[in-house]
Amino acid sequence: SSDVTQDPVVSVALGQTVRITCQGDSLRSYYASWYQQKPGQAPVLVIFGKNSRPSGIPDRFSGSSSGNTASLTITGAQAEDEADYYCNSRDSTGDHRVFGGGTKLTVL
Amino acid sequence: QVQLVQSGSELKKPGASVKVSCKASGYTFTNYAMNWVRQAPGQGLEWMGWINTKSGNPTYAQGFTGRFVFSFSFDTSVTTAYLQISSLKAEDTAVYYCARGRSNYDFWTGYYVDAFDIWGQGTMVAVSS
Repeated sequence: SSDVTQDPVVSVALGQTVRITCQGDSLRSYYASWYQQKPGQAPVLVIFGKNSRPSGIPDRFSGSSSGNTASLTITGAQAEDEADYYCNSRDSTGDHRVFGGGTKLTVL
Repeated sequence: QVQLVQSGSELKKPGASVKVSCKASGYTFTNYAMNWVRQAPGQGLEWMGWINTKSGNPTYAQGFTGRFVFSFSFDTSVTTAYLQISSLKAEDTAVYYCARGRSNYDFWTGYYVDAFDIWGQGTMVAVSS
């Protein structure tokens, strides 16, 4: 079982806004980071901290957090955003990291 | 540029061992932790643990202990981290990733800012008789 949980499947119409969420008690104390993984590729960091993007990540990706829920928002989803998205945070002990089960995003 | 380059795919028989390497370049190796992540076929990402590249102290994920025998190590002279897995079983078939870990304390918010910011390309380990 995972300390943080994600919806398995989310879809969004091309150009629309989509929010992918990650829930868990540890998120009240620790930030989540978000990773995009396309088929056959290694994961890529897209959001970390309060709402930071690594160099090269489009500004349509943003992050937020409230209570026990962290969110990744894609504003104006593009076809190339279709991928699996994983959140990661510390567990309740703070000593270990844990991934959510992943969300498969389909862009219609 | 900053990158992690992993060793090639492996095919092993049950009970064998494997050592996956992760060569770091473009940054000071000992300034960042090295994490290992497993992804079984068609499954999600599983954090296996990390090793402190300054002290050598490893931290292993709790969910793996007992059924899975593995260890982390590194050689600073060649800026390479290693994942060794022993007593392989068919269910250990997976892609194994190394990922550079960064962790900073944000004094303004009181939160740690963690991220796996650089990933290796992955190493496929297949276990089959």
